Amino acid sequence: AQSVTQLDSQVPVFEEAPVELRCNYSSSVSVYLFWYVQYPNQGLQLLLKYLSGSTLVESINGFEAEFNKSQTSFHLRKPSVHISDTAEYFCAVSRQAAGNKLTFGGGTRVLVKP
Amino acid sequence: NAGVTQTPKFRILKIGQSMTLQCAQDMNHNYMYWYRQDPGMGLKLIYYSVGAGITDKGEVPNGYNVSRSTTEDFPLRLELAAPSQTSVYFCASSSSLQGGYGYTFGSGTRLTVV
Repeated sequence: AQSVTQLDSQVPVFEEAPVELRCNYSSSVSVYLFWYVQYPNQGLQLLLKYLSGSTLVESINGFEAEFNKSQTSFHLRKPSVHISDTAEYFCAVSRQAAGNKLTFGGGTRVLVKP
Repeated sequence: NAGVTQTPKFRILKIGQSMTLQCAQDMNHNYMYWYRQDPGMGLKLIYYSVGAGITDKGEVPNGYNVSRSTTEDFPLRLELAAPSQTSVYFCASSSSLQGGYGYTFGSGTRLTVV
C-alpha cells in the first residue's frame, strides 16, 4: 500500500512571495503523482501531474512540481503567489500497475495575505 | 456543462436516519469513485466502480452501500447515520483505469449527523 504525507497543514504567505508545499510518499512500486487544488466550497481540480519523462512538471497558472525519486518527494512551488491562489492543495499518488485509485495526503491550506 | 453532478449540496441528518447521496456524470466515464473528506485527513476512498454492475470497497466502506445500475449514476447510501459520518462527500469519475489519468470531481455534499 502507498501513503502520502504533506508536511505542512497550513502555509501563510504574503502576496508576490514564493511558496513551497512539501509532499512525500511511500510506495513499494512505481507511482504516478498528482497535485489537486480545492478552492473554497468547491470540488478538487487537477493542477498538474507527473507520469514519466522530465521530472519537472508545470501548470498553466505558474505552479511547478519536481519529482525526486531518491527522496520520494513531489514538492509544489510557485515563485510569486496571488490572492487568488488561496486554497487547499492536495498531493496524491496512484500505483502504475494497480488501477486508478488515488491515495491523498492530508492537504495544505495556503492563505495568501495582501 | 459536462462534468460530475452531486445532490444535495448540504444535508442534516438525525442519528439513525438514512439517505442517498446522488452522483451523475455525463462524460461516459466507466470509472467512478466516492471519497469522504475530513479536516486534516485528506480524502479517503469509500467505494468505487469500474462499470455498470461492478462495485468494490475502498479504504473506509463501513456504514455505506453503493450501486451502479447505469454508466451515468453512482449513488451512495447511508444506512443508520452516525455522527462519525459527518463529513464532506465527493464523487469523482475517470475515463480510464490506468493510473495516470486524473479524476473529475463533483462539488461535494456536506453532511452533518446530529
